[in-house]
Amino acid sequence: QKEVEQDPGPLSVPEGAIVSLNCTYSNSAFQYFMWYRQYSRKGPELLMYTYSSGNKEDGRFTAQVDKSSKYISLFIRDSQPSDSATYLCAMSQVRTGANNLFFGTGTRLTVIP
Amino acid sequence: GAVVSQHPSRVICKSGTSVKIECRSLDFQATTMFWYRQFPKKSLMLMATSNEGSKATYEQGVEKDKFLINHASLTLSTLTVTSAHPEDSSFYICSASSSPGTDTQYFGPGTRLTVL
Repeated sequence: QKEVEQDPGPLSVPEGAIVSLNCTYSNSAFQYFMWYRQYSRKGPELLMYTYSSGNKEDGRFTAQVDKSSKYISLFIRDSQPSDSATYLCAMSQVRTGANNLFFGTGTRLTVIP
Repeated sequence: GAVVSQHPSRVICKSGTSVKIECRSLDFQATTMFWYRQFPKKSLMLMATSNEGSKATYEQGVEKDKFLINHASLTLSTLTVTSAHPEDSSFYICSASSSPGTDTQYFGPGTRLTVL
């Protein structure tokens, strides 16, 4: 079983729709959860960073962590064509000094104008 | 803030040659830098972790004599692909972390390597 599971998509939605992206994980030691956005042929860009369970909102983006279910989500409201990209979830353990992130495979999102 | 650059962005080389890729943290000191490899439609695969002034730690299955990593300063790490072969063609991405205790990594834009 992979440490982090993410549906690769592709996911296509009309402009203005609410997008829900999800990841599940198996390691209960993960404490730090991140969402990265990666445009084609570019490096990942950090979108959201959360610690432990709960919600975090930043503009049109909301990150949600449910540690009891080992499930994290990223919601995008009022989606725009510029949101079309691959979204990668990532997570890491309590600070061990190793600084290693475990990534999902990424979900490719297309927002259709 | 937290900008990481990579150079070159794209390189094409002949089989058997060596290629050096630079990763720089532009506005912060990177105590730790990471090198990843990404295949089309696949996630990032961590190759190695390097701390400034010490030898890199390679992930299982990554040949350290083939992928030479140098982290000589707090703002620069280099990855040299030695004796490159077509199967080394890939997208190489570096990332940097400003503190040993933080798990936030900032990624560079990536380098597309094509070996003919």
